[in-house]
Amino acid sequence: GEDVEQSLFLSVREGDSSVINCTYTDSSSTYLYWYKQEPGAGLQLLTYIFSNMDMKQDQRLTVLLNKKDKHLSLRIADTQTGDSAIYFCASTWGNQFYFGTGTSLTVIP
Amino acid sequence: SQTIHQWPATLVQPVGSPLSLECTVEGTSNPNLYWYRQAAGRGLQLLFYSVGIGQISSEVPQNLSASRPQDRQFILSSKKLLLSDSGFYLCAWSMTALNGYTFGSGTRLTVV
Repeated sequence: GEDVEQSLFLSVREGDSSVINCTYTDSSSTYLYWYKQEPGAGLQLLTYIFSNMDMKQDQRLTVLLNKKDKHLSLRIADTQTGDSAIYFCASTWGNQFYFGTGTSLTVIP
Repeated sequence: SQTIHQWPATLVQPVGSPLSLECTVEGTSNPNLYWYRQAAGRGLQLLFYSVGIGQISSEVPQNLSASRPQDRQFILSSKKLLLSDSGFYLCAWSMTALNGYTFGSGTRLTVV
């Protein structure tokens, strides 16, 4: 299997950047993902990165992958109150996706 | 386009009662299907996954079972609910790793 770990909580002020970190154990993961879960809702795919990439940028989101250290991060620029949610990183292993515990992001106005 | 439906959205059931949660996918064939549980304040726990009709793999021994009677239907069941079965249940489907998972909107189960 795969162990995916994240810190549980993060608080930032509105307008600042948020950085959510994730570590994983299986170096053979092909894709790594970031999902967002708003209260009482399912998970929404935010972005993904292929394992041969170091960085991917999509508007306010920047994903950084350090494959050597098995470390994935999600940076949200100009964080807004609407970004408050739980963010999950996930990796693939065979047919399965393994999710981290989720990081609860609180944006302080 | 593909859609995933999960119902009911909320459910309150007494201890010892049966459970049936249903998930259906439209717009695709032979998807991989998954049931996850999210307990309060915790991450996602994979319960079951299925790569085809009648094929169910269980990740965690528990009070729950799953069935896939049709290609795009995935059912989560229990004969007798326990208090510890309370949580937020999410169904998901995927075709390839590139597409990631698509999740249903979830079912909030409270066992009382």
